[in-house]
Formats: sequence, structure tokens, C-alpha cells
Amino acid sequence: KQEVTQIPAALSVPEGENLVLNCSFTDSAIYNLQWFRQDPGKGLTSLLLIQSSQREQTSGRLNASLDKSSGRSTLYIAASQPGDSATYLCAVRSRLYSGGGADGLTFGKGTHLIIQP
Amino acid sequence: DGGITQSPKYLFRKEGQNVTLSCEQNLNHDAMYWYRQDPGQGLRLIYYSQIVNDFQKGDIAEGYSVSREKKESFPLTVTSAQKNPTAFYLCASSWRRDTEAFFGQGTRLTVV
Repeated sequence: KQEVTQIPAALSVPEGENLVLNCSFTDSAIYNLQWFRQDPGKGLTSLLLIQSSQREQTSGRLNASLDKSSGRSTLYIAASQPGDSATYLCAVRSRLYSGGGADGLTFGKGTHLIIQP
Repeated sequence: DGGITQSPKYLFRKEGQNVTLSCEQNLNHDAMYWYRQDPGQGLRLIYYSQIVNDFQKGDIAEGYSVSREKKESFPLTVTSAQKNPTAFYLCASSWRRDTEAFFGQGTRLTVV
């Protein structure tokens, strides 16, 4: 059964720093990996989607990498801003259960990020 | 605008009562999912549906029920058998396995 781990659980840095959030998963047979942002009391906003055949994706100040063989992904945030403060969730899409064809997302517990002004 | 709409935003349930959470999408997505989010536990899968008139149990289906009579709609009923229903509930949908999943804004359910 797929398991996803995110490190660190929480991070507080001054504004302007570049930072890296880590995600690891146990089963490399994934279809894709998606990074989400969640603000308090809100739903999830998709940030980046990386297909299993891709190595990285970029959107503005965000860059996500994927090393499927080692079961790792990183989310790089450049020049952090107070508005980046949120919880960041990593999710991998894979078969939900062995022997079945259905697929879905398995989530890590997230990294709670605070950017200090 | 295309998207997923969950309602209500806040819901209060009395002991022994069944309540239904609504999830509607106009993205023409085949697959829909219900997740439960508790502090410190991440998102856990309750039920999922890959096509209309078909749905399957996820990891924590006990005390919940769903229906998928229309492609656009995937309501979740929290029954009185769910002993600890207080949580944040999120609905998601996607088209194919190589495309993005989209989430609604969530329903916060509280037992009173």
C-alpha cells in the first residue's frame, strides 16, 4: 500500500529565502505526483503536476522535481514571500489497492510553512 | 466557470442524526473522491467512484455511504454509525489518471 511522507512537518523562515520541501513515497509505480497548497479552513489548490515520465515542472517561483526510481520529490520555492505561508501537500497517484484497477491520490501529512515578514 | 462545489460550508450534526454533504462538479470528470481531513492525520480516502452508478469503499468507509446516480454529483451521507464524524470533508474529481485532480472548498462537520 502506497505511503507518502513529507519532511519537514513545519518550517518557519524569513522572507526572501529559498526553500525546499521534501516528499517521499514507498511504491514507485505511480502515474503522477501533484503538489497542493492549503490555506487554513480552505480546500486544496493544485500547484504543480508531474507525470511519471517527467523529471520536473516549473510555475513561476515554484519548481518541483521527481525521481521516481528513488521515490522522491522536492518542491523548491524561490524568494519566499509572506503570502506563501500555507500548508503544502504532496500526493501521488497510483493504484489504490493491489489487484484492483482503480487509481487515486495518496497524501502526505503536509508541511506547514510560515514566512516571516 | 468550471469547478467543484461543496455545500454546505459548515454543518452541525446532532447525536444519532444522518447528514448529507453535497459535491457537484461541472468539469465532465468521470472519477470522484471523498476525503476526510483531521489535524495531524492528513487526508484519508472514504469512498471513490470511477464511473456513474459505481463506487467503492476507501480506507475509512465505515459509517459513511455514497451514491453516484449522475456524473456531476457524488453526495456523501454521514450516518449515525460514524462515531467520530467531526472533521473537514473534501471532495475531488479528475478526468483521467494522467490529469490533475481538483478539489472543492470543503465542508466542516461538527457534532453538537
